[in-house]
Parts: sequence; C-alpha cells; structure tokens
Amino acid sequence: EDQVTQSPEALRLQEGESSSLNCSYTVSGLRGLFWYRQDPGKGPEFLFTLYSAGEEKEKERLKATLTKKESFLHITAPKPEDSATYLCAALASGGSYIPTFGRGTSLIVHP
Amino acid sequence: DVKVTQSSRYLVKRTGEKVFLECVQDMDHENMFWYRQDPGLGLRLIYFSYDVKMKEKGDIPEGYSVSREKKERFSLILESASTNQTSMYLCASSTTGGSSTEAFFGQGTRLTVV
Repeated sequence: EDQVTQSPEALRLQEGESSSLNCSYTVSGLRGLFWYRQDPGKGPEFLFTLYSAGEEKEKERLKATLTKKESFLHITAPKPEDSATYLCAALASGGSYIPTFGRGTSLIVHP
Repeated sequence: DVKVTQSSRYLVKRTGEKVFLECVQDMDHENMFWYRQDPGLGLRLIYFSYDVKMKEKGDIPEGYSVSREKKERFSLILESASTNQTSMYLCASSTTGGSSTEAFFGQGTRLTVV
C-alpha cells in the first residue's frame, strides 16, 4: 500500500529562521512527488513536482529536494506570509492516477 | 493558468436535503477528483473519475454519488445530507498525458449540514 508521512505535524519559526519539512514516501515506483501550500479555508495551491532522485526545484524562499525515500521542503529566511499548511503527495507509476497525500505540516512564522 | 472552479464557497443545508456540489475545469483534464478535508484527518478521497461517465470509489464513498456527463464537469451528490457530512469539499483535476501529472484544486466548498 502506498504511504506518505509528513513531519513535523506543526512547526513554529521566528521570521528569518530557516528550516525543513520532511515527506517520507513509500510507493511502488514513483511517477511524481508533489508539494502544495494550503491557506486556511482555501484549496491547496500547487508548488512543485519532482520526478527523480537528486532533482531540486526552487521558488522564492522555498526549495524542494527528492531522494529515493524522502522529499524535503527547505524554507530559507521565512516571512510571516509563508505561514500555511504544506502538503506532500506521491503518485505511483502504473495503473491509477490517484495521488497519495500526507496529512500536512502546519507552519507558523512569527514576526 | 489551470482553473478549477467550484460552484459555491459556502453552503448551508438541512438534514435530509439532496445536495449538489459542482466542479468545472478548463484544462481538458481526463482525471477529476472529489475529496473531503477534516481537521486531523487530512484529505480523503470520495470519488475519482478518469473519463466521461467513468468513476471509481475512493476511500469514503458512502452517502455520496457522482456524475460526469461532460469532460470538464464533475458533480458530487449527497443523496440525503447528514450532519456528519459537514466538511470542506475539494475538487481537483489532473491529466494523464504528458509529463505534468500534478493535480490542481478548486477553492473548496465549506458545507454545513444543520
């Protein structure tokens, strides 16, 4: 069974304090690993797709990396507007196109 | 930009009512999804559709049905709403072809059943 586990469940940072969010995945062949940002009361907003180990993608203060078992979302010098829940999902190759989602990491950045 | 549009942001319905949640996507995506999201439980898949008139049950289909008569539109139906169906409902779509397989979400519908 495909599984995605995110840690920590919640993270509080001071503005400017860099950190990383973890996404561990177990799927039968990875077609894609996705990161989303979700603000309260809204739908998830797509951030990145990673396809193979060693791949990295960046957007402003966010950088996503991928290994064969994990993905990390690095947040450099975060600002209060980066506060959100970050969701990770993995899509297995072959068969259905249903992604498996983690439960998310709730990030709060204090000014 | 990909756009997934859900018909309502907020809905309040009475117990026993039949409720329709509509979702439209403008990217010609083959796949469409309905999820519900509750605190502490994450995203749970209700139904998935991979083509017009085709559907698969997700993890929690009980009490729900779906309709996909046109490729761009995917409807979620609560046959007889109950208070335990109070939740945030999220629609998403994705493509099967090409290398971009990520799902794009609508803005969500907050449904309250009283």
